[in-house]
Amino acid sequence: GESVGLHLPTLSVQEGDNSIINCAYSNSASDYFIWYKQESGKGPQFIIDIRSNMDKRQGQRVTVLLNKTVKHLSLQIAATQPGDSAVYFCAENRDTGGFKTIFGAGTRLFVKA
Amino acid sequence: DTEVTQTPKHLVMGMTNKKSLKCEQHMGHRAMYWYKQKAKKPPELMFVYSYEKLSINESVPSRFSPECPNSSLLNLHLHALQPEDSALYLCASSRELSNQPQHFGDGTRLSIL
Repeated sequence: GESVGLHLPTLSVQEGDNSIINCAYSNSASDYFIWYKQESGKGPQFIIDIRSNMDKRQGQRVTVLLNKTVKHLSLQIAATQPGDSAVYFCAENRDTGGFKTIFGAGTRLFVKA
Repeated sequence: DTEVTQTPKHLVMGMTNKKSLKCEQHMGHRAMYWYKQKAKKPPELMFVYSYEKLSINESVPSRFSPECPNSSLLNLHLHALQPEDSALYLCASSRELSNQPQHFGDGTRLSIL
């Protein structure tokens, strides 16, 4: 079935390095994508979103890239900090007669001091 | 602090008990959601409400009964749950039921004995 997935289940980076978290999606009709961060014991927290009419969007220290040709989404975190350690989920919105948000499997990011 | 408040934070109940989970937001959001999240898994959509009306029911068993008494409140009534229903139950809200980021509460951790 169609799903939103992630290439890597865990990612370990050195503090100060840049992190790249990847995500593949299979529903070409999806037109809105979101990255969430979930820390231990907390709910997912919105990081950044992108609509399908864009291929790049930047926030504070984060950038999301969307490649519709290969159905690929990535989250780049600049100058990764210990506070960035968390699980990161990509998600897509689908209009199936009602908007649904489908989450990918998640990537756990470890930041080494 | 999260803007979506969920109570209780933890709940232990027997399989014959009846309990309710509560969710509240005062951001004026008109869409509200219930998700179930098992350990090391992404959130899975259960129910979606838009303007206090049920928009999506993801084939959830009838032992879970949602209720949206007004635009700020969302309840999830539980009855005759099974041990496999033990999970983190997350509530979220968004401004509208469309391509909008969702704001999540920190969840209720439910254990069924």
